[in-house]
Amino acid sequence: DTAVSQTPKYLVTQMGNDKSIKCEQNLGHDTMYWYKQDSKKFLKIMFSYNNKELIINETVPNRFSPKSPDKAHLNLHINSLELGDSAVYFCASSQAAPTGGETQYFGPGTRLLVL
Amino acid sequence: AQSVAQPEDQVNVAEGNPLTVKCTYSVSGNPYLFWYVQYPNRGLQFLLKYITGDNLVKGSYGFEAEFNKSQTSFHLKKPSALVSDSALYFCAVRDLRNQGGKLIFGQGTELSVKP
Repeated sequence: DTAVSQTPKYLVTQMGNDKSIKCEQNLGHDTMYWYKQDSKKFLKIMFSYNNKELIINETVPNRFSPKSPDKAHLNLHINSLELGDSAVYFCASSQAAPTGGETQYFGPGTRLLVL
Repeated sequence: AQSVAQPEDQVNVAEGNPLTVKCTYSVSGNPYLFWYVQYPNRGLQFLLKYITGDNLVKGSYGFEAEFNKSQTSFHLKKPSALVSDSALYFCAVRDLRNQGGKLIFGQGTELSVKP
């Protein structure tokens, strides 16, 4: 039983295309996140949703648009893909963090390669 | 600003020897600190966290971490390293300035355990 799952696992596409990555969690968590890991393995938050509401939107190009149809799903749509979008994208989830100690659980990642 | 630093890009140890992976942090307010491990081509796995209480925190796979407030450090330790511990380790701090509590990650430390 995968707690946080992502599809697809690998995505190879051409510059200029539009693609989506899907994420689902079966943990009953209220909060979901998207992180980007670049080629140097550096991890950075992109977005966070709490109960389908966007609560964190870091300085991400507006070609990236998250969508949360329900609190168990958080999808990432990317328009007009660029070479620099090549990275590993991780989805994560946690309970709402009123105290700060809640653990974030990560999906296996989606490896995006833009050619 | 909330931040974490992992001063070592790589740590090499012999199997059976103790290991330490260093992390220092800078936060305003109470620190909520986490360690994650990433095996090759895998997602991040939670190891342990510090919220409050005992400075020595025990986690998964025999790892522990010591919270030191005066030195603003949260070093990860294991008494006897295994070859299977070889992976990329991330320290992270919870940023509570915004709702949702995103994690801010260090740059990662590659641990290599040789037989």
